[in-house]
Amino acid sequence: EAEVAQSPRYKITEKSQAVAFWCDPISGHATLYWYRQILGQGPELLVQFQDESVVDDSQLPKDRFSAERLKGVDSTLKIQPAELGDSAMYLCASSLGSGPHNEQFFGPGTRLTVL
Amino acid sequence: GIQVEQSPPDLILQEGANSTLRCNFSDSVNNLQWFHQNPWGQLINLFYIPSGTKQNGRLSATTVATERYSLLYISSSQTTDSGVYFCAVVSFWQNTGNQFYFGTGTSLTVIP
Repeated sequence: EAEVAQSPRYKITEKSQAVAFWCDPISGHATLYWYRQILGQGPELLVQFQDESVVDDSQLPKDRFSAERLKGVDSTLKIQPAELGDSAMYLCASSLGSGPHNEQFFGPGTRLTVL
Repeated sequence: GIQVEQSPPDLILQEGANSTLRCNFSDSVNNLQWFHQNPWGQLINLFYIPSGTKQNGRLSATTVATERYSLLYISSSQTTDSGVYFCAVVSFWQNTGNQFYFGTGTSLTVIP
């Protein structure tokens, strides 16, 4: 069964360090999403890609976060420098297309702890 | 933005019991999904249900889009049903595109 892959599954880092997360969407899915989920809350969208282009990054803290999907397949989310408040689950999702009627499928997530 | 409210926030059931989870949303939506977040944090797709009724085994869901709510029914609950259930909606706006909103979830604990 096709799945969204993410790595690493867990990451512990110290504040002011750089961290990077990787996501490989379901094969053929043109749209990729990065979400952040703080403990006890629902996920919040950080950035949405359609192929290699950013569709929406209005909620991405651009002073420290960056995301890319250079070849329109896998994607990397980076945080530099990490802050204590960045501790959260980072979830990647993909869908076949970008329209509102597309079902999203999520990966297992990366749990980040910033010390 | 759209407000998505889920109720109840917490639910404890004896194994074998039935339950109904509710999702209310404050404006019209184009898409609605139900997810189960397992203890390891992964979101598992349960239903893609912008309107109508669907069933999958012991689970079923109904969305009444005109009244802005969706219900998730769990029958004959099992301990493996424990976890957090999320409702997520998508609304399309011409000037901003898709807007995604998750509810705050219902935490379900099924006791043997």
